[in-house]
Amino acid sequence: AQKITQTQPGMFVQEKEAVTLDCTYDTSDPSYGLFWYKQPSSGEMIFLIYQGSYDQQNATEGRYSLNFQKARKSANLVISASQLGDSAMYFCAMRERSNAGNNRKLIWGLGTSLAVNP
Amino acid sequence: GAGVSQSPSNKVTEKGKDVELRCDPISGHTALYWYRQRLGQGLEFLIYFQGNSAPDKSGLPSDRFSAERTGESVSTLTIQRTQQEDSAVYLCASSLEPSRAGANVLTFGAGSRLTVL
Repeated sequence: AQKITQTQPGMFVQEKEAVTLDCTYDTSDPSYGLFWYKQPSSGEMIFLIYQGSYDQQNATEGRYSLNFQKARKSANLVISASQLGDSAMYFCAMRERSNAGNNRKLIWGLGTSLAVNP
Repeated sequence: GAGVSQSPSNKVTEKGKDVELRCDPISGHTALYWYRQRLGQGLEFLIYFQGNSAPDKSGLPSDRFSAERTGESVSTLTIQRTQQEDSAVYLCASSLEPSRAGANVLTFGAGSRLTVL
């Protein structure tokens, strides 16, 4: 069974509008971390935002925020005021406590392709 | 260096040939990771180096795959007798020592795209 599910293979958004990229996860571990990475056409994976399972507040980083709903096991990425440069693949990933402090077994979703239209 | 550098950026090879992919991590990053990304797929863990500890090779798909790293510097991923199913982007990432703050974040290179004909 998929531990990280990204149900939207492709998304379109108009420039300057907000967009939400979905991510649901499955774990029985009470302590885990959730990550979002961006992969533009250049190929590099760029870290965007991190949410720890015990964090009280939703994580925010500039135009990125994470809508963390623990009971629903969802960690959706919200991008506000979309820009053309936001067009990329977006990956959600989870690290479970068994690998705490060690990223080698980060579990990755299949990604969502976002296209920002001018 | 300022970022993680990978070379070559693109490699086309014939089935059965050996290939070497190189990764130069960020200076000071003791942890180094190799991932494979097949078309339309997420990242598949291959191998992990941390300082002078024995590497975690649990993700290597077969004995045709091997990797080396000298100390905390450059790493080389070698694929022997390449097969068409080896075609993928091979991504390298580095991070601070896992016990230190900020180690949660991996910094990735741009990847090496391997095409086996």
